[in-house]
Amino acid sequence: ETGVTQTPRHLVMGMTNKKSLKCEQHLGHNAMYWYKQSAKKPLELMFVYNFKEQTENNSVPSRFSPECPNSSHLFLHLHTLQPEDSALYLCASSQDLVLRQGASGANVLTFGAGSRLTVL
Amino acid sequence: SQKIEQNSEALNIQEGKTATLTCNYTNYSPAYLQWYRQDPGRGPVFLLLIRENEKEKRKERLKVTFDTTLKQSLFHITASQPADSATYLCALPEGGADGLTFGKGTHLIIQP
Repeated sequence: ETGVTQTPRHLVMGMTNKKSLKCEQHLGHNAMYWYKQSAKKPLELMFVYNFKEQTENNSVPSRFSPECPNSSHLFLHLHTLQPEDSALYLCASSQDLVLRQGASGANVLTFGAGSRLTVL
Repeated sequence: SQKIEQNSEALNIQEGKTATLTCNYTNYSPAYLQWYRQDPGRGPVFLLLIRENEKEKRKERLKVTFDTTLKQSLFHITASQPADSATYLCALPEGGADGLTFGKGTHLIIQP
């Protein structure tokens, strides 16, 4: 285990269901991220949180709703999803925020094992 | 925004040989570049970070180079083993947002 735990590992849901993905880290990290990984495509950054405040929403449809109640927990609430939303959803954390190009400092990401989502 | 190109076709290498993976980026030169390993059904795992003022970085059998003129990083695994078979991802800081941008990855297969 990496220190970042994601549940559930597998989820099958219909287009009208509401479900949530959970991510928990016990590394004492301050920043947390949601990424989407689809077949044949690179990881897509979805949301970024720093000290439980959202810093980035990468033009993600509103059917994905993140929640970060504290620096250790991150949720992704799902509702009325589409079949094309089927993918591996990866949560990651870093000690401090991975800043955009041009800023100083460097941080590395620790990923969870992912939640494999299938939308029927 | 930054575009990252990795040779996404599977790379087959015979055990014991050196595997070399390529990461090219198209726009601005990043302050640093990272390499991750991903096994099937798992999340990526961080391997190495190299900064723009570093030409080369080593860790055990791994070596990374960074050429800002060519806009390229090379990732080498020497004395390759079947256990090195995985997908290797290159990552850079995002251009317009916080977070890392990843390439599609190269699927490396080490054949015994």
